[in-house]
Amino acid sequence: GAVVSQHPSWVICKSGTSVKIECRSLDFQATTMFWYRQFPKQSLMLMATSNEGSKATYEQGVEKDKFLINHASLTLSTLTVTSAHPEDSSFYICSARGIGTSGGAGSDTQYFGPGTRLTVL
Amino acid sequence: RKEVEQDPGPFNVPEGATVAFNCTYSNSASQSFFWYRQDCRKEPKLLMSVYSSGNEDGRFTAQLNRASQYISLLIRDSKLSDSATYLCVVNWGNTGKLIFGQGTTLQVKP
Repeated sequence: GAVVSQHPSWVICKSGTSVKIECRSLDFQATTMFWYRQFPKQSLMLMATSNEGSKATYEQGVEKDKFLINHASLTLSTLTVTSAHPEDSSFYICSARGIGTSGGAGSDTQYFGPGTRLTVL
Repeated sequence: RKEVEQDPGPFNVPEGATVAFNCTYSNSASQSFFWYRQDCRKEPKLLMSVYSSGNEDGRFTAQLNRASQYISLLIRDSKLSDSATYLCVVNWGNTGKLIFGQGTTLQVKP
């Protein structure tokens, strides 16, 4: 149980275009979803936290107007990278925490999606 | 001081070896701790939570020392399939935010 999917798994786009990444919880209700970014040879960095039906909370240094997050339902959150530039090329990973998950790790367990590799030319 | 600090390695060990990874965290209010495993170009996967009394899952043993703000992971009888990056993760001050260490890379050689 506790499966999280992401779509697309990889995307290549031209500079200046916008890219939307979807994160879905397949078998549980995700009350909270997190968006992370990972540059090569670095660890995951939290970008924002979103609770269903509320505005996302962005981490310091993350531009909310550039990285638009929508969490309109308990199973879907989207991240839109607006006017993407080469420096936005990264591995974007979502995670979800919620109700109806199994496992013994506790209620604060986050389940990760498989990630989306974004390359901006 | 980094929020969560790990020795990046790499640790190169032969099959069957025992290897230990260490991690320190700076927020003393944190209450939940985890070890995740990340394979190359994949998402992190939860390996195990870390409990105050220490806990074991097969060949893996996790320990927590709250006084020293120190977490460890011991892998016994290393397998080739254990080769990966191991991420120390802290639920930051119990806010629900997970802060990741930079990871320790393990290469198990035949």
